[in-house]
Amino acid sequence: AAGVIQSPRHLIKEKRETATLKCYPIPRHDTVYWYQQGPGQDPQFLISFYEKMQSDKGSIPDRFSAQQFSDYHSELNMSSLELGDSALYFCASRRETEAFFGQGTRLTVV
Amino acid sequence: AQTVTQSQPEMSVQEAETVTLSCTYDTSENNYYLFWYKQPPSRQMILVIRQEAYKQQNATENRFSVNFQKAAKSFSLKISDSQLGDTAMYFCAFMRGAGGTSYGKLTFGQGTILTVHP
Repeated sequence: AAGVIQSPRHLIKEKRETATLKCYPIPRHDTVYWYQQGPGQDPQFLISFYEKMQSDKGSIPDRFSAQQFSDYHSELNMSSLELGDSALYFCASRRETEAFFGQGTRLTVV
Repeated sequence: AQTVTQSQPEMSVQEAETVTLSCTYDTSENNYYLFWYKQPPSRQMILVIRQEAYKQQNATENRFSVNFQKAAKSFSLKISDSQLGDTAMYFCAFMRGAGGTSYGKLTFGQGTILTVHP
């Protein structure tokens, strides 16, 4: 069965650089969620999209932006990266009440 | 806002024994869903079990079962016949029911690291 695909799996960036994370949801899932999980932390909700429109917003820094495209894939754009942005970034897509997670993108800012 | 609390940072159990992980939550909602996710060292988030708040019957999935106490806002996970592969971080999570803008968003507890010893 198709799963949520995230790319890249690993990313190393320097401070003040920009990063783009991509998420390809399960076909026919209409809602995408982004979560950030710091080391030893629980995942924190960043932002979500329903039918290509932003549906909810959490603790997402102003330096971050995201969108969902016509093919339902989503991208999380992160600018002016800081050391504290180093984390595992999850994308999840939802069907009814079950969320399916991608394998995550591990971002390291040096 | 909903909160989820896991008061056990770490737990350990011997292989083949039973262990229970605790979770409490706070919400004013009546329609919601509760989940336990497993996160092994690979960091993949794997759904273990889910419970609909409107169902009184506790959910079970093979060796995994929950004790859902709605009035007490408690949702514990019992793992029977523990296996070495159960070693992971376990997160309790809350999802609001349909009808609000936050529907589908997961709020996680702090996690419990479970170690299964041979």
